[in-house]
Amino acid sequence: AQRVTQPEKLLSVFKGAPVELKCNYSYSGSPELFWYVQYSRQRLQLLLRHISRESIKGFTADLNKGETSFHLKKPFAQEEDSAMYYCALSRYNTDKLIFGTGTRLQVFP
Amino acid sequence: NAGVMQNPRHLVRRRGQEARLRCSPMKGHSHVYWYRQLPEEGLKFMVYLQKENIIDESGMPKERFSAEFPKEGPSILRIQQVVRGDSAAYFCASSPPTSGKGQETQYFGPGTRLLVL
Repeated sequence: AQRVTQPEKLLSVFKGAPVELKCNYSYSGSPELFWYVQYSRQRLQLLLRHISRESIKGFTADLNKGETSFHLKKPFAQEEDSAMYYCALSRYNTDKLIFGTGTRLQVFP
Repeated sequence: NAGVMQNPRHLVRRRGQEARLRCSPMKGHSHVYWYRQLPEEGLKFMVYLQKENIIDESGMPKERFSAEFPKEGPSILRIQQVVRGDSAAYFCASSPPTSGKGQETQYFGPGTRLLVL
């Protein structure tokens, strides 16, 4: 069965420190991977997806098929990055999203 | 474009009552997904609908839960005879028709928080 694992419930860093939010998945095919973010009192929104290969708000994520990982990274965290981050997987075009349990990122001043 | 709308935002029901949750997708979107988030858990898929059709209901509990997306009007998630375990946040997402260029982005509503007393 498809599964997304985010091992950290909470990640706390100071402003300017590097950040890595871990995501591992299990799926035998070629999935599409996403990172969604939910800022305080806002709705869930797409941050980035692996096929886009773009950097959003300084965040990047590389799909590593060998390690079945899609970790989210940012070299210098900002206070406004504090939010809940969810990694998600889909198997094909209109497929449902399979979410991890989420990691809360706290960036202290 | 106002984004995905859900109402009510908060709903309180007593055990045994019915809960109706509404979702209006973004303009031009023909695909609707419902997800449930229990406390301390991630979002779990429930059902995927297109206009007048249920495409995938593999995440729906077999009893008491139903969903529809009529030709006109919002998508409705209906929970009959609610129990305390139904207390959760229910999120709706919509996406546009498939362009054939990979997964279309799902846009999420603000959610409906259901509390069963």
